Amino acid sequence: RKEVEQDPGPFNVPEGATVAFNCTYSNSASQSFFWYRQDCRKEPKLLMSVYSSGNEDGRFTAQLNRASQYISLLIRDSKLSDSATYLCVGYAGKSTFGDGTTLTVKP
Amino acid sequence: NAGVTQTPKFRILKIGQSMTLQCTQDMNHNYMYWYRQDPGMGLKLIYYSVGAGITDKGEVPNGYNVSRSTTEDFPLRLELAAPSQTSVYFCASSTGMLNEKLFFGSGTQLSVL
Repeated sequence: RKEVEQDPGPFNVPEGATVAFNCTYSNSASQSFFWYRQDCRKEPKLLMSVYSSGNEDGRFTAQLNRASQYISLLIRDSKLSDSATYLCVGYAGKSTFGDGTTLTVKP
Repeated sequence: NAGVTQTPKFRILKIGQSMTLQCTQDMNHNYMYWYRQDPGMGLKLIYYSVGAGITDKGEVPNGYNVSRSTTEDFPLRLELAAPSQTSVYFCASSTGMLNEKLFFGSGTQLSVL
């Protein structure tokens, strides 16, 4: 079983839609979690950290459920520019990446 | 601000050739990493280093070697290149703190033919 698993998608949504990505992790020693965004095989860039209490950054909301070992990312009011691959990352001394979820937002 | 610099950006190798991917960072980060990314997949950790003189294997170290003689530099050596090593390679660095953010280089597209 992969240490970090994501639904690969692809997710194809219209502009303005709300979309949610899920991620599960198997390493209970994982201490921190993150969502990274990757465009067209360029380098990944940090989108946001994920806190147990849940955190929001504009249209983006991240949630962590340690009991279920589950992480989510919610994107509201999708924009064309949100089209990208979203990578879930768990940190337990080193960062482990999921395979990514591809989002395409269409006009 | 240079951040993490990787060279070269592209390279084509013949089977059996060797090469070194260069990575340097100017943020005085202790932690440095090498990842590879195959098409449609996430990043897989090849090797990492928590400081000068200290390196450790990641998930997919076979066929690669690294060294860390300085804080700034973390080169990745491919010996006897194989087609299975065709991939995009990313170098990254971080402070190593708990809530670390990874800073990535722009990647090296390597093809082994």
